[in-house]
Amino acid sequence: DAKTTQPTSMDCAEGRAANLPCNHSTISGNEYVYWYRQIHSQGPQYIIHGLKNNETNEMASLIITEDRKSSTLILPHATLRDTAVYYCIVPGTYKYIFGTGTRLKVLA
Amino acid sequence: ETGVTQTPRHLVMGMTNKKSLKCEQHLGHNAMYWYKQSAKKPLELMFVYSLEERVENNSVPSRFSPECPNSSHLFLHLHTLQPEDSALYLCASSQLTGPNQPQHFGDGTRLSIL
Repeated sequence: DAKTTQPTSMDCAEGRAANLPCNHSTISGNEYVYWYRQIHSQGPQYIIHGLKNNETNEMASLIITEDRKSSTLILPHATLRDTAVYYCIVPGTYKYIFGTGTRLKVLA
Repeated sequence: ETGVTQTPRHLVMGMTNKKSLKCEQHLGHNAMYWYKQSAKKPLELMFVYSLEERVENNSVPSRFSPECPNSSHLFLHLHTLQPEDSALYLCASSQLTGPNQPQHFGDGTRLSIL
């Protein structure tokens, strides 16, 4: 499993795009990048995952660099409800290793 | 609504009690997981079941006993717990246990040991 590094915290103005970076320089060729978030007192919520290509769904976009050593989760128009801890995970198999994540605070 | 339901949401028990946590998934998945999240610590994987067979027991003390009677239900039986076992216990499920299989989590049971 590749180790991931994320900033401890970030602020974002409501309505603006939130760009959350993740470094996973030891990722191997067949490992996916997953993003989850956890809002206080709830379980982690799956956001998006990808292997090589950029991905987009109704919640977010995932941009993975060409060398796959880093990625960015983009919330296009952040709302107050997006305030949460965001986790970037690169599991080799089913063994998710959650770090401390990035605490995103969306400001009104 | 994630499709994974955990009951009860909150549980307070004494160290000599026996209780069980229940997880049910309505996603048609074949793999289920138990995680523990202690205060100020990252989530830790405890157990993994795939097609009702246990495939992972992550050095968990025997006072925690999992049971997976079918692919939709997962239990965690608790007995003689310690105060340090107070935590949020999370259940998750995925289609299979492969690398391209997102896990979907329930909202957890918050357990307090007196």
